[in-house]
Amino acid sequence: AQSVTQPDIHITVSEGASLELRCNYSYGATPYLFWYVQSPGQGLQLLLKYFSGDTLVQGIKGFEAEFKRSQSSFNLRKPSVHWSDAAEYFCAVGAEDTNAGKSTFGDGTTLTVKP
Amino acid sequence: DAGITQSPRHKVTETGTPVTLRCHQTENHRYMYWYRQDPGHGLRLIHYSYGVKDTDKGEVSDGYSVSRSKTEDFLLTLESATSSQTSVYFCAISVKAHNEQYFGPGTRLTVT
Repeated sequence: AQSVTQPDIHITVSEGASLELRCNYSYGATPYLFWYVQSPGQGLQLLLKYFSGDTLVQGIKGFEAEFKRSQSSFNLRKPSVHWSDAAEYFCAVGAEDTNAGKSTFGDGTTLTVKP
Repeated sequence: DAGITQSPRHKVTETGTPVTLRCHQTENHRYMYWYRQDPGHGLRLIHYSYGVKDTDKGEVSDGYSVSRSKTEDFLLTLESATSSQTSVYFCAISVKAHNEQYFGPGTRLTVT
């Protein structure tokens, strides 16, 4: 069965600093990988996705993520964090399934941005 | 905007009462999902649907049932609500299997 681990429950960075959120997955085949962001009181919004091809993918709001098969990782990065990036971030892996692909989500990382 | 609405947005109910949450989409996408979100547990899949009248269980399906009689509506029912079902419930849709999902705004359910 697939699984996702986000090792950091909570991260605090200063505004303008760089950010990296870690995600490790377990999956037997080539995974479908996603990062979502959730602002307080809202549903999840897709930031970016990886299916195949270029291992560095660009997303919305200036985020990017790199797929590293050898490390089973899909870390999310942003070169300069803005106060509005404070939110909870979820990594997810999609499944090959006979019916509907089910995504398994990590437990999330809460990002706090200091002024 | 994937056109997903959830109703009600907030509900307080008593232990032992039945509760039905509704998810409605305007895009006629095939795949729909119900998740619950609890602190420290991320999102956990309750049930999902891959077409009208085609549903299957997720990882935390005990105590929940679903129905999908129309493409646009996916109902989640708690037959007899318990305090452990106090949670925030999210509906999601996907254009096709293992593609990205689009989420509704959530329903906050409190069982007293």
